[in-house]
Amino acid sequence: DIQMTQFPSSVSASVGDRVTITCRASQGISWLAWYQQKPGKAPKLLIYGTSTLQSGVPSRFSGSGSGTDFTLTISSLQPEDFATYHCQQANSFPLTFGGGTKVEIK
Amino acid sequence: EVQLVETGGGFIQPGGSLRLSCAASGFSVSRKYMSWVRQTPGRGLEWVSMVYSSGTTYYTDSVKGRFTISRDNSNNVMYLQMNSLRDEDTAVYYCAKAAGEWTETGAFDIWGQGAMVIVSS
Repeated sequence: DIQMTQFPSSVSASVGDRVTITCRASQGISWLAWYQQKPGKAPKLLIYGTSTLQSGVPSRFSGSGSGTDFTLTISSLQPEDFATYHCQQANSFPLTFGGGTKVEIK
Repeated sequence: EVQLVETGGGFIQPGGSLRLSCAASGFSVSRKYMSWVRQTPGRGLEWVSMVYSSGTTYYTDSVKGRFTISRDNSNNVMYLQMNSLRDEDTAVYYCAKAAGEWTETGAFDIWGQGAMVIVSS
């Protein structure tokens, strides 16, 4: 199975800050997806194919990476961005998710 | 509107069975790759099963032989039949639809609201 390690597990930031979340795969993968999840809600797709923004997602979100290391960047944190972020690989079954990164208000 | 609505969650004793339903609107479940994903506070998001438009199915090892994913194309519903339930199957279960062509996106763009399954004696 491909293990996905996400870090940090939590980050405290202020509105306007730049936030970067990293996801590391235990072996090379072709592409990665990122989701945002708020308490009591289902995950929401932000980015697929490592760097393609899902329709309707603000451009302050961006994704990059290749091989085993991938990042999600929020260029200027907004109040509605405080949430938990998850990465997911679809290179092979079983599909696997990272442990999540909680972005909290500083 | 494209949406998924899960029903069928509940409280069940270990060893029991439960069937989750995922009713789709705005698209045909038969034409999309669909999955079940579960979530617990301790284990986070965990993929459970997937069904391709062709009917091919995949399962995570911990549910193989116990869970069955299926579709009712005429009613546009996907199911997860869960047998021999264990304490560790306790979770919120989400159904999810693949974004675009799975081979191009590898991601899920539409999720249901979640169904809570509690397995406990």
